[in-house]
Amino acid sequence: KAGVTQTPRYLIKTRGQQVTLSCSPISGHRSVSWYQQTPGQGLQFLFEYFSETQRNKGNFPGRFSGRQFSNSRSEMNVSTLELGDSALYLCASSKDNSYEQYFGPGTRLTVT
Amino acid sequence: GQQLNQSPQSMFIQEGEDVSMNCTSSSIFNTWLWYKQDPGEGPVLLIALYKAGELTSNGRLTAQFGITRKDSFLNISASIPSDVGIYFCAGRSWIQGAQKLVFGQGTRLTINP
Repeated sequence: KAGVTQTPRYLIKTRGQQVTLSCSPISGHRSVSWYQQTPGQGLQFLFEYFSETQRNKGNFPGRFSGRQFSNSRSEMNVSTLELGDSALYLCASSKDNSYEQYFGPGTRLTVT
Repeated sequence: GQQLNQSPQSMFIQEGEDVSMNCTSSSIFNTWLWYKQDPGEGPVLLIALYKAGELTSNGRLTAQFGITRKDSFLNISASIPSDVGIYFCAGRSWIQGAQKLVFGQGTRLTINP
């Protein structure tokens, strides 16, 4: 069974730009969660989507948004990028009632 | 909010040694998960624990769900070079009316050959 895939793996953007990251969950998984990982803050929860609806949300500004499609694939968008948004963005998928989350390889975003 | 205290933050050991790390919290958790992350990659799930007192092994790895449901530990026996990486614990519980996972800050394991 294929794992969680994320695209792109690396991205360089300039302050003020916006970015869209994509995540394809494991087949059969309907829940997709997004995390931001930085050396200083560790793994910070952004949001979770289940059946195209946002089920949980972390404490991030409105510049961070996401959505989920009917095939469970998910995207997250960051608008008006700031230098502090440079991080590894991780996507994780899980089955309906399981909280065993399986992570993708991440997208390394660098904002200059 | 709920926090997990993971310790130690880093470990420097000799190959072949046993390793022990733990996570504690003042809050009760329903599930404990242990992950390992290699540089530039996403965390990989090692062990999942669902019941207080549960002891589960995965090869040389053993993890336990604390009886109080506020802690968990992970042991690695006879460490080898590929054990190098960052180990994270994660606890699941109800936070603000929703089930959420909370992650520890990680334990960085370095092995001297």
